[in-house]
Amino acid sequence: AQKITQTQPGMFVQEKEAVTLDCTYDTSDPSYGLFWYKQPSSGEMIFLIYQGSYDQQNATEGRYSLNFQKARKSANLVISASQLGDSAMYFCAMRERPGSARQLTFGSGTQLTVLP
Amino acid sequence: EPEVTQTPSHQVTQMGQEVILRCVPISNHLYFYWYRQILGQKVEFLVSFYNNEISEKSEIFDDQFSVERPDGSNFTLKIRSTKLEDSAMYFCATPAGAMNTEAFFGQGTRLTVV
Repeated sequence: AQKITQTQPGMFVQEKEAVTLDCTYDTSDPSYGLFWYKQPSSGEMIFLIYQGSYDQQNATEGRYSLNFQKARKSANLVISASQLGDSAMYFCAMRERPGSARQLTFGSGTQLTVLP
Repeated sequence: EPEVTQTPSHQVTQMGQEVILRCVPISNHLYFYWYRQILGQKVEFLVSFYNNEISEKSEIFDDQFSVERPDGSNFTLKIRSTKLEDSAMYFCATPAGAMNTEAFFGQGTRLTVV
């Protein structure tokens, strides 16, 4: 069964606009962590933001914020004020029982293109 | 400075040859992971390694694969007899943060089997 679902294979956004990348997840474990990574065309995986299942507030890191809706099992990434350098593949991932350092399970990714 | 450094960045090998991919952590990590990403596809877990032993492995990690920590610092992934379908980006990763709330990936090794 798919644990992480990213339904948008590709997204376009105008420079300086905000964009939301969708991610839904499936787990029966009450303790889990959700991650977002950016993969530019050069191939490296860049860690962006983390949200724990017990965190009371949505995570934010600079222009990145995570819209965490636990009841809906969604963890959407919001990028504010898009820049041309934000064009990349974005992956949502989950780790169950984060304190145990188990492996990450990834979604299929969303290719974001920022238009000038 | 990256948490982990991988070498080589790109390797081309003939089918049937053995390859060794290397990962060097910056600080003392107990946990390591190897992931694979076939071009255009999602990132897939291969194996986790804790305290010099395999902790978990996926069904992809068959007898062709092995992991070692030969000298207490480098961490290697060996593919004994490469196949065309082994062509992929291979990432080493470590958890980080007080509660493993971060996970850092190396820059990856792009393996091309011809």
